Amino acid sequence: DAGITQSPRYKITETGRQVTLMCHQTWSHSYMFWYRQDLGHGLRLIYYSAAADITDKGEVPDGYVVSRSKTENFPLTLESATRSQTSVYFCASGGTSHSGANVLTFGAGSRLTVL
Amino acid sequence: AQSVTQLDSQVPVFEEAPVELRCNYSSSVSVYLFWYVQYPNQGLQLLLKYLSGSTLVKGINGFEAEFNKSQTSFHLRKPSVHISDTAEYFCAVSAGQAGTALIFGKGTTLSVSS
Repeated sequence: DAGITQSPRYKITETGRQVTLMCHQTWSHSYMFWYRQDLGHGLRLIYYSAAADITDKGEVPDGYVVSRSKTENFPLTLESATRSQTSVYFCASGGTSHSGANVLTFGAGSRLTVL
Repeated sequence: AQSVTQLDSQVPVFEEAPVELRCNYSSSVSVYLFWYVQYPNQGLQLLLKYLSGSTLVKGINGFEAEFNKSQTSFHLRKPSVHISDTAEYFCAVSAGQAGTALIFGKGTTLSVSS
């Protein structure tokens, strides 16, 4: 099916454990993004990628690692999870319009709880 | 750098009433502007976008927004809301250059009651 999928949708883990959230898109969009959504903060950009093997930090990158070895995948890893990383994580991919704008399509989100 | 301020965190309205959700942005360069809607326990869905051209932009579900460069605003409006419009609404901005990321506001919760 065409679209953007995130897995797992729900995850409970413990402080200090490594967690990887997966994101897969079928449109061959160049750009992919990871945001976290927290009450009172809206969506904040963690990392983004312009193409395979090209990634850049967003507003809140600390504690996260990303990779993009294939255009369609953009996993987000929490190397040592902390309680402050309890959040809903959204992956998005963006096709560039003729004007150059990134018009994003979002996945359904991954709800992560760190105990 | 760009920033977005959504002026109301919560907007309660009655069904069939008009509504305006306010959004102001800050940027030193030209911008692209977006409104996204998030229904409970779902991802974000694009409602409408301003990239260039006409400053009045029409979106899905009867929503529209007007880009006002002098006021640096992009307010979202609907003349008559339905219960089903109850959701979280996010305004977002990106710099008017290829490939830049979207910066989101903190969101406005629209609650429509009968």
